[in-house]
Amino acid sequence: GQNIDQPTEMTATEGAIVQINCTYQTSGFNGLFWYQQHAGEAPTFLSYNVLDGLEEKGRFSSFLSRSKGYSYLLLKELQMKDSASYLCAVRDSNYQLIWGAGTKLIIKP
Amino acid sequence: GAVVSQHPSRVICKSGTSVKIECRSLDFQATTMFWYRQFPKQSLMLMATSNEGSKATYEQGVEKDKFLINHASLTLSTLTVTSAHPEDSSFYICSASDGRDTEAFFGQGTRLTVV
Repeated sequence: GQNIDQPTEMTATEGAIVQINCTYQTSGFNGLFWYQQHAGEAPTFLSYNVLDGLEEKGRFSSFLSRSKGYSYLLLKELQMKDSASYLCAVRDSNYQLIWGAGTKLIIKP
Repeated sequence: GAVVSQHPSRVICKSGTSVKIECRSLDFQATTMFWYRQFPKQSLMLMATSNEGSKATYEQGVEKDKFLINHASLTLSTLTVTSAHPEDSSFYICSASDGRDTEAFFGQGTRLTVV
């Protein structure tokens, strides 16, 4: 079966750095996405990785290792508004998104 | 990025009635639209995939006669929850793709409450 694992909840301090890991086992691979979702809202796109390596976009970076079935989202200079759920999703061979359960990130002052 | 508009954002309906949710791609042609449901503190669950002009493909366990999906044009898909029950109360989200190797764009979501 298809499976995406990420931690349920993480806590970090404002101004610090946090890394959210995601491991996956899917039927085919056509890219990995990270989305941010605030409670009661739709997900918003953060990053996309299809090749191995690090993609940097401002305070957010995402890393992919296809051989290990592993990705992480790195958030730097954390702000209170970064408190949200972070969803890892993999696009499979049918070009459908398979979603992880999401990681709830709590930022403390 | 591209814009997907979903309407209504919130709806409350009586048990036994039907509710229609619209999903529109405003600035691109959505060859494929996806409908998701999300219960509190859970991840997105794909309900069905629809391609313009053809019947939707439903995920296992999703009743096609209860959740009617129409994708009649390249910019509009609708989800109708028929004979709604309180257990259908959930957050419904659509996303749209232009079929190329790009991200899927999400609508704002619809919070359905059946009383």
